[in-house]
Amino acid sequence: GQNIDQPTEMTATEGAIVQINCTYQTSGFNGLFWYQQHAGEAPTFLSYNVLDGLEEKGRFSSFLSRSKGYSYLLLKELQMKDSASYLCAVRGRSNTGKLIFGQGTTLQVKP
Amino acid sequence: DTAVSQTPKYLVTQMGNDKSIKCEQNLGHDTMYWYKQDSKKFLKIMFSYNNKELIINETVPNRFSPKSPDKAHLNLHINSLELGDSAVYFCASSQGLFGSPYEQYFGPGTRLTVT
Repeated sequence: GQNIDQPTEMTATEGAIVQINCTYQTSGFNGLFWYQQHAGEAPTFLSYNVLDGLEEKGRFSSFLSRSKGYSYLLLKELQMKDSASYLCAVRGRSNTGKLIFGQGTTLQVKP
Repeated sequence: DTAVSQTPKYLVTQMGNDKSIKCEQNLGHDTMYWYKQDSKKFLKIMFSYNNKELIINETVPNRFSPKSPDKAHLNLHINSLELGDSAVYFCASSQGLFGSPYEQYFGPGTRLTVT
């Protein structure tokens, strides 16, 4: 079967650092994506990992360990506008490019 | 310029009706998708077309029928609407499939409410 797990909700303080974890079990692996989705809006792309290690993009970083079926999204210097849902999605080893999404983690940033 | 657009943004209709949602992308991508996001925010793939060819057809009732007249357009027609069809439907597009690092770009979504 295919399964992606993320915490449902998290709360953090403005200016702090937060780590959102994602664990997955899929039929093969061909990349992991993180998306941000503000309430009532479309998901927007944040990061992509296909090899083990850390990818850094400004305040956001994403880490992947394929052997552990594990990824995390690290958000630094949190801002109020970072309050949103963060979706972890895995692409399995098929020829369709199909993404399997986790249910998302709703992050609330407090002053 | 809007990259992926959908119409309508809101759709309120009664059970048993037939409705369509339209999607257009101006990114020159060759792959388009339809997703359903339920009340629990779970985003699930329904269909995908690559160069107008259907490549993903998940376990979706056959009341749902996608149509891709060309690479830039992917429409979704729903027959005999049911209460359980109420959700937000997102269209998305991407360049490439397997092995491609390219992300999917999502449209603004269509909030469908069936009463």
